[in-house]
Amino acid sequence: DSGVTQTPKHLITATGQRVTLRCSPRSGDLSVYWYQQSLDQGLQFLIQYYNGEERAKGNILERFSAQQFPDLHSELNLSSLELGDSALYFCASSVVGQGSQFFGPGTRLTVL
Amino acid sequence: GQQLNQSPQSMFIQEGEDVSMNCTSSSIFNTWLWYKQDPGEGPVLLIALYKAGELTSNGRLTAQFGITRKDSFLNISASIPSDVGIYFCAGLSNTGNQFYFGTGTSLTVIP
Repeated sequence: DSGVTQTPKHLITATGQRVTLRCSPRSGDLSVYWYQQSLDQGLQFLIQYYNGEERAKGNILERFSAQQFPDLHSELNLSSLELGDSALYFCASSVVGQGSQFFGPGTRLTVL
Repeated sequence: GQQLNQSPQSMFIQEGEDVSMNCTSSSIFNTWLWYKQDPGEGPVLLIALYKAGELTSNGRLTAQFGITRKDSFLNISASIPSDVGIYFCAGLSNTGNQFYFGTGTSLTVIP
């Protein structure tokens, strides 16, 4: 158990819908990262937050957005969902912005 | 974006054999991480490397941060069936805050 929690574990929705994925970092970790992993693909970095502020942006679509709240939990919002958005979405956290990352169990999103 | 070349892409080995995989980058990294991922699960951190030349062990696993800071390798000795999974390297560029991940090495251990 890495100490990073993600909810929900599974999510099934329809095209065009909007969903919110939630992540709670390890106790004491200030930085949160979001990744997308499609079938048989590597991890694609989406976005990073550090102590509530956006720190780095990767290949995140405009339909996706994220935020980190004062209690340091983070949410990833995915809107106007398409079939190709079906993937595993992972959250990771680290103490500082450049430290070792610890991953949550992921949320499996299926868009039908 | 930054590319990490990880090789081999897949390995099929007999139980008891040693395994070696590596990652290379076109630019310098400050940190190298090695992860193992089981199907449908989150990656689990195996080893973290923070200094060029650093050699670190974790049980049967040994990893090294290349002297050029552009590569890293992971060795697994005396493989066992539970070593099966996908191994990812990740590197932190010295120019930014983003970690880049390799494409993974799929390891199959034949009993």
